Amino acid sequence: EVQVLESGGGLVQPGGSLRLSCAASGFTFSSCAMAWVRQGPGKGLEWVSAISGSGGDSSYADSVKGRFTISRDNSNNTLYLQMSSLRAEDTAVYYCAKRAGGYRYGYNDHWGQGTLVTVSS
Amino acid sequence: DIQMTQSPPSLSASVGDSVTLTCRASQDITNYLAWFQQKPGKAPKSLIFAASVLESGVPSKFTGSGSGTDFTLTISSLQPEDFATYFCQQYNSYPRTFGQGTKVEIK
Repeated sequence: EVQVLESGGGLVQPGGSLRLSCAASGFTFSSCAMAWVRQGPGKGLEWVSAISGSGGDSSYADSVKGRFTISRDNSNNTLYLQMSSLRAEDTAVYYCAKRAGGYRYGYNDHWGQGTLVTVSS
Repeated sequence: DIQMTQSPPSLSASVGDSVTLTCRASQDITNYLAWFQQKPGKAPKSLIFAASVLESGVPSKFTGSGSGTDFTLTISSLQPEDFATYFCQQYNSYPRTFGQGTKVEIK
């Protein structure tokens, strides 16, 4: 069974940093592109970032470019999102998602339950 | 960036009704469109990819269609478990973009 489980969320002050993790199981992690998607309180879904299976390709939403870094450890089946210079508008539930179909044309076929990030003083 | 527009933002329907949700892309995305269902406090669930292909285990009451810029999701014979918010997403290009969602409520 495919499972992705996020962790690392919490309360952080504006300007602070946080690293999210996503532990994957039930599939060949190194062969699958992965993504982060967030959802602010009472809002819709916002795509944040994606990374290829090898980690050689990545993309970011303009809203997080230069502040967030996506990475992966294929030896430990774990995806990461390093977030810095956090702002109040980054407050959201962050979902990790497995991609089907690869990095270029993949879509999110399995989602984690999410981890809440709150940016507030 | 490709803008995705869903309509209506919300609708009310009764158990047993059929409803059609619409998703429009600001430019041609061929068939690189996915539909997701989300219930309150839960993660999104993938329903349809490639505009019309059902995910494994998704009942055939969900039907996706369209190509290019105009897409629809039809849900037949609504049941209580179908009342949720539905999102479309294009995966033709980066940045990936979602529609704002259509909330299907019980009348």
